[in-house]
Amino acid sequence: RKEVEQDPGPFNVPEGATVAFNCTYSNSASQSFFWYRQDCRKEPKLLMSVYSSGNEDGRFTAQLNRASQYISLLIRDSKLSDSATYLCVVNKDNAGNMLTFGGGTRLMVKP
Amino acid sequence: SAVISQKPSRDICQRGTSLTIQCQVDSQVTMMFWYRQQPGQSLTLIATANQGSEATYESGFVIDKFPISRPNLTFSTLTVSNMSPEDSSIYLCSGITSGDTDTQYFGPGTRLTVL
Repeated sequence: RKEVEQDPGPFNVPEGATVAFNCTYSNSASQSFFWYRQDCRKEPKLLMSVYSSGNEDGRFTAQLNRASQYISLLIRDSKLSDSATYLCVVNKDNAGNMLTFGGGTRLMVKP
Repeated sequence: SAVISQKPSRDICQRGTSLTIQCQVDSQVTMMFWYRQQPGQSLTLIATANQGSEATYESGFVIDKFPISRPNLTFSTLTVSNMSPEDSSIYLCSGITSGDTDTQYFGPGTRLTVL
């Protein structure tokens, strides 16, 4: 079993749609969780951290379910510019700095 | 935040040769890492670059194949030694600053093709 699993997609959605990505992780000791965004042929960039209480940043909402070891990302009112690969990222150990990346979910938003 | 640059941005190399990739950060980072991203896949951590001492390698990666240096807080190198076509990949360095420990900043990557 992979340490961090994601549906690779692609998710093809029209502009304005709401889309949700899910991710599961295997290490119950993990403490830090993130969503990164990677555009084609670019480096990953932090989209948002994921907190136990859930967090929202504009059109983006992240949720964490520790009991199920499950993380989600919801994107509302999708824009063309949201097209990218979204990487679910979990810290590798309690140090909090060594990250394990999921395989990524590719999103394509179409006019 | 941190701005990270890498050199070269890309290279095409012959098998059996070695390539050294440089990573420069514009501010002091507490930790630096090297990742590999093979075509169509996500990132895999190669090692943690430790200042002034040997790097800490992840399972499946060894110092003889991927020697790493970090002489100071803002600079590191990764060498891909005795290359084979299987080493064709994107190599990325990343860093964490003391002021923002939640964020890893990535360099733009070095795209390596081994013939």
